[in-house]
Amino acid sequence: DAGVTQSPTHLIKTRGQQVTLRCSPKSGHDTVSWYQQALGQGPQFIFQYYEEEERQRGNFPDRFSGHQFPNYSSELNVNALLLGDSALYLCASSLRVYQETQYFGPGTRLLVL
Amino acid sequence: AQSVTQLGSHVSVSEGALVLLRCNYSSSVPPYLFWYVQYPNQGLQLLLKYTSAATLVKGINGFEAEFKKSETSFHLTKPSAHMSDAAEYFCAVSERGVTGGGNKLTFGTGTQLKVEL
Repeated sequence: DAGVTQSPTHLIKTRGQQVTLRCSPKSGHDTVSWYQQALGQGPQFIFQYYEEEERQRGNFPDRFSGHQFPNYSSELNVNALLLGDSALYLCASSLRVYQETQYFGPGTRLLVL
Repeated sequence: AQSVTQLGSHVSVSEGALVLLRCNYSSSVPPYLFWYVQYPNQGLQLLLKYTSAATLVKGINGFEAEFKKSETSFHLTKPSAHMSDAAEYFCAVSERGVTGGGNKLTFGTGTQLKVEL
């Protein structure tokens, strides 16, 4: 039973560039959430996708956008990168009916120079 | 709005000693509560969760936590620390019964556990 997978594992970008991160949910899960974890901090909720729609959003600017595909996988896009976007980006999946538990992937570490 | 406070950003214990990591929450509705562990350069692994049944919750690796509504606390304990327990631990809360909005997790700032010989 495959867990949550994310790609790439590491990424280096420069300010102003755009980045796309990818996530495949745990087998059988239909809901994907994205979190940003800055160094030394707890994860912060970015948004959540279910049925290919953004269902809930945290306090992040609209430079952060996402997408969910029919196979439940998801992408996180960040435009006009800032130095402060450097962080570990975590994807979590859950099953809508049993929505209280989220399972996390290993994360993508983004460094913006 | 929900929030989590973890007291002590760093905790150090001797191997074999009791581990106690503190978590207090704030929520306007009955909460779901979680403890996650994060090893260096890895994602988050679920240790245990409280969703409304028994107030004493047992998790993996010998950890347990007790939900105390009167104290709005959900402290994590383990009777005897092992070197392999060294990691960062996060307490998180989500609101029970939220529909449409899903199960957004709000995390504390984490507690780094160090286990010494």
